[in-house]
Amino acid sequence: EPEVTQTPSHQVTQMGQEVILRCVPISNHLYFYWYRQILGQKVEFLVSFYNNEISEKSEIFDDQFSVERPDGSNFTLKIRSTKLEDSAMYFCASSIVTGDTQYFGPGTRLTVL
Amino acid sequence: AQTVTQSQPEMSVQEAETVTLSCTYDTSESDYYLFWYKQPPSRQMILVIRQEAYKQQNATENRFSVNFQKAAKSFSLKISDSQLGDAAMYFCAYRRWASGSRLTFGEGTQLTVNP
Repeated sequence: EPEVTQTPSHQVTQMGQEVILRCVPISNHLYFYWYRQILGQKVEFLVSFYNNEISEKSEIFDDQFSVERPDGSNFTLKIRSTKLEDSAMYFCASSIVTGDTQYFGPGTRLTVL
Repeated sequence: AQTVTQSQPEMSVQEAETVTLSCTYDTSESDYYLFWYKQPPSRQMILVIRQEAYKQQNATENRFSVNFQKAAKSFSLKISDSQLGDAAMYFCAYRRWASGSRLTFGEGTQLTVNP
């Protein structure tokens, strides 16, 4: 069964550094998403992406964040100048246009020191 | 804005018994989707079941079923014949009808299954 994959599984970085989290969505899916979950809290939406542009973003997704689909398979989340409070689990998800259940990847645990 | 509320932070059930997890939501829309996701200790988000709001029939997936009460804006999950592998955090989620819309999650219910 096809699945969403994410790399790395765990990323440790120093405050102020830039990180790129990578995702490979399910191949025939057209909508891509990033969510984050701070430890012990609910899952929060960051951004959705369709047809090579952002379709929706939350108030969390400020200028510190950016997304990109650099090629036909990868979908990336870049976090510039990381802060301690960016430490969280980051989930990528994808969906086809119709039907539209979002399937999640295993997550990347980001630790900012 | 839509909100999702799970009022039970923790629940426990004996193996082979049945448990019901509660979820309420607030929306002004008439068409939407509701989901239950399971998050085991690995923290992977796994889809358990989904319900389209226009369908009166409650969704069922093997041992998992929902009680969808549209007027009351209630969407509970029933797990029958509970198994040790069901132990996880369960999140209720809402999504607008429009394609590509965000999921709005509840706070989660931690389910413990006792042998």
